[in-house]
Amino acid sequence: QKEVEQNSGPLSVPEGAIASLNCTYSDRGSQSFFWYRQYSGKSPELIMFIYSNGDKEDGRFTAQLNKASQYVSLLIRDSQPSDSATYLCAVNERQGGSEKLVFGKGMKLTVNP
Amino acid sequence: DTGVSQDPRHKITKRGQNVTFRCDPISEHNRLYWYRQTLGQGPEFLTYFQNEAQLEKSRLLSDRFSAERPKGSFSTLEIQRTEQGDSAMYLCASSWTGALEAFFGQGTRLTVV
Repeated sequence: QKEVEQNSGPLSVPEGAIASLNCTYSDRGSQSFFWYRQYSGKSPELIMFIYSNGDKEDGRFTAQLNKASQYVSLLIRDSQPSDSATYLCAVNERQGGSEKLVFGKGMKLTVNP
Repeated sequence: DTGVSQDPRHKITKRGQNVTFRCDPISEHNRLYWYRQTLGQGPEFLTYFQNEAQLEKSRLLSDRFSAERPKGSFSTLEIQRTEQGDSAMYLCASSWTGALEAFFGQGTRLTVV
């Protein structure tokens, strides 16, 4: 099974700062990468996915993918206290006729007012 | 249809009892996944359905766990002879063939006492 590694954190940033969340993965053949946000006691919520090298922007969020380095990151600009949550990195694994998401352990982000 | 629906949201059961959870995916989604999440960990894959066919079941899953998806619509996850180690959040997700993103339900939190 593919492995997905995230620094467990926690990460603390002041309101308005840029939060940078990082993730590495073990399988060089991985194609699709996802960032989910999970508030305490709630289920994961999809923020973004990326499958091409480079950057993908959506509002205050930017996902960055570097397949050569097997590295994917999520930048949150102008961080808000409502961004405080655990961020999960996931990689799509396809094997035979099956597929699934393989998740990292998550990084807890706290944005301080 | 506003999203993936799971029932019940919370379940407390005594050790040794059987429990069954239900998941109703987004109506046009033909792929359905079950995951389990414990505190401080990312979601762990349990099983995957494409339509009514169960295409993969995690090797980590004991024989006490079984899942069905009759007619390719809703799915049920049954745990027989529950153990305290089964206490976790059980998450269902669904997606559509050809789409990369999967969406999660609210989860069922199981507590085995």
